[in-house]
Amino acid sequence: DIQMTQSPATLSAFVGDRVTITCRASQSISISLAWYQQKPGKAPKILIQKASNLQSGVPSRFSGSGSGTEFTLTISSLQPDDIATYYCQQYIVPYTFGQGTRLEIK
Amino acid sequence: EVQLVESGGGLAKPGGSLNLSCAASGFTFNGAWMIWVRQAPGKGLEWIGRIKSKTHGETTDYAAPVKGRFTISRDDSESTLYLQMDSLKTEDTGVYYCSTDGYSWGQGTLVTVSS
Repeated sequence: DIQMTQSPATLSAFVGDRVTITCRASQSISISLAWYQQKPGKAPKILIQKASNLQSGVPSRFSGSGSGTEFTLTISSLQPDDIATYYCQQYIVPYTFGQGTRLEIK
Repeated sequence: EVQLVESGGGLAKPGGSLNLSCAASGFTFNGAWMIWVRQAPGKGLEWIGRIKSKTHGETTDYAAPVKGRFTISRDDSESTLYLQMDSLKTEDTGVYYCSTDGYSWGQGTLVTVSS
């Protein structure tokens, strides 16, 4: 199975900061990667698929990049509504998720 | 509007069974590949398995921890996805979500496995 290593586990930043979360795959997955946002008590919400394709309705401050084994999710200007846990997921069967990054406001 | 509504969660004993349902509406269910994902209390997301559409053979794939114990099926005439869970273990406790391969999600249903 492909292992997804996500870092950092927790991230604390100020409103307006640029924030980056990294995800590393144990083997090449091309661009078969999605990013999700999950708020407490809620279902995950897809932000990005195919590594860099922003889903309709997702604010443009979110962006994704990478291919192969190294991927990043960037929030260009952190907003209070972005407080959540973020997960990467590769979708080569069996799908696997990263461990999650909990994003906090300083 | 896409809607996914899970049901069937509850309390089960170790070694027991539960059958979860996911009622779908607002999209062409028979063409959708569907997945189940779970989340143990305070933990991250865990993919359980996937079922392809009938056009793609209704092929199923499972994560190692549930393979041989869980079965995913679908009834396209009822726009419903199922997860049959047998030989339940305490570590199967969590919220179970159905999803249209990651794009839309239900609200989840809680499964508790305890003696």
